[in-house]
Amino acid sequence: DTAVSQTPKYLVTQMGNDKSIKCEQNLGHDTMYWYKQDSKKFLKIMFSYNNKELIINETVPNRFSPKSPDKAHLNLHINSLELGDSAVYFCASSTRTSGGLRWYFGPGTRLTVL
Amino acid sequence: DAKTTQPNSMESNEEEPVHLPCNHSTISGTDYIHWYRQLPSQGPEYVIHGLTSNVNNRMASLAIAEDRKSSTLILHRATLRDAAVYYCILSWTGRRALTFGSGTRLQVQP
Repeated sequence: DTAVSQTPKYLVTQMGNDKSIKCEQNLGHDTMYWYKQDSKKFLKIMFSYNNKELIINETVPNRFSPKSPDKAHLNLHINSLELGDSAVYFCASSTRTSGGLRWYFGPGTRLTVL
Repeated sequence: DAKTTQPNSMESNEEEPVHLPCNHSTISGTDYIHWYRQLPSQGPEYVIHGLTSNVNNRMASLAIAEDRKSSTLILHRATLRDAAVYYCILSWTGRRALTFGSGTRLQVQP
């Protein structure tokens, strides 16, 4: 009964390739996110979708394109991969509670670009 | 976003209480104080959050100063599994995403 799942867990690829990471949440949440954690371990928001509508688009290269086919899925496609794209990518979803928003994170996808 | 300040690292012994401090002197009246933790090789997970009053749940307690400029996450009996990076984050209900700082790396010694 995994809440937020991502595939693949590990991704090793060559520079210049195009790759996708998939994310699914079974929590019924309306809002999903992609975060990037770099080698220095800082977690940064990249994108957020609410009911398939893009609501957050931080300063991210155009090579990164999120796609949300439905509110339970948020995929991340990366074109022309570069060495600097190597990082751990986390998918998350959120829901509104009586005490504010609460976030749920996936296990992460470790991307290594060679 | 209002900023939080946490110590880079802390150490604790197993089965002892741990108090993780967080300063947030520029907190606004609508900011909730959230705590998340990231275990090794895992995604962040929710620990606790509060607005003004102290909060307790099965994982931890959150003590919030009366002026709300600081808070303390309390783990009542640390276990080895509690070794993680703990993030103190301010977020108001209209904010759409969590903004993570560098957090506090907690080491638990057997």
